Amino acid sequence: DQQVKQNSPSLSVQEGRISILNCDYTNSMFDYFLWYKKYPAEGPTFLISISSIKDKNEDGRFTVFLNKSAKHLSLHIVPSQPGDSAVYFCAASAMYLKGGSEKLVFGKGTKLTVNP
Amino acid sequence: NAGVTQTPKFQVLKTGQSMTLQCAQDMNHEYMSWYRQDPGMGLRLIHYSVGAGITDQGEVPNGYNVSRSTTEDFPLRLLSAAPSQTSVYFCASRISGQETQYFGPGTRLLVL
Repeated sequence: DQQVKQNSPSLSVQEGRISILNCDYTNSMFDYFLWYKKYPAEGPTFLISISSIKDKNEDGRFTVFLNKSAKHLSLHIVPSQPGDSAVYFCAASAMYLKGGSEKLVFGKGTKLTVNP
Repeated sequence: NAGVTQTPKFQVLKTGQSMTLQCAQDMNHEYMSWYRQDPGMGLRLIHYSVGAGITDQGEVPNGYNVSRSTTEDFPLRLLSAAPSQTSVYFCASRISGQETQYFGPGTRLLVL
């Protein structure tokens, strides 16, 4: 049973346009969400996160939106750049607001290609 | 500050062989974890540790052993390798009170 779902295996956008990556979750206990970016032959690197007490978090070109009622979050990249081409993983954690959890549950990832 | 390091980068094993994947971090992080990444499966948690001497199972622990004798090191042992363990293995660590995990570069394992 997949608790974190990234239903789009791939996404292709033009340089300068917006990239929107989506993630859905089923476990209502999740209270912290993270996005990781992964280049080939490298480990995932942390990109941005959001707590369930917020509905938006921005960091430069990256914004994450959280819709708790829909159990949905999205990552917006504006403007998209060719260097953003990578696999993006959505991850979720439970019990963050109660002291932290050792376990992150990851989605399967979305491969983003930004075309020049 | 090297962050999270993993050795080897690549390994080929025959079915039934044993080996240890090494992971070390120099950030004094309490939490360390092992994940495997398979095509179309994302990252799945194998084992994790909340501190020296304390380990627990993740989502896919079968066929793997871990121990944590120091804060810095968290080796992953395959006692009898199977082709189903062909994967890319990532070690990660994080500090207590934060959810952000820092990943190593990965070990690519091929079991024939």
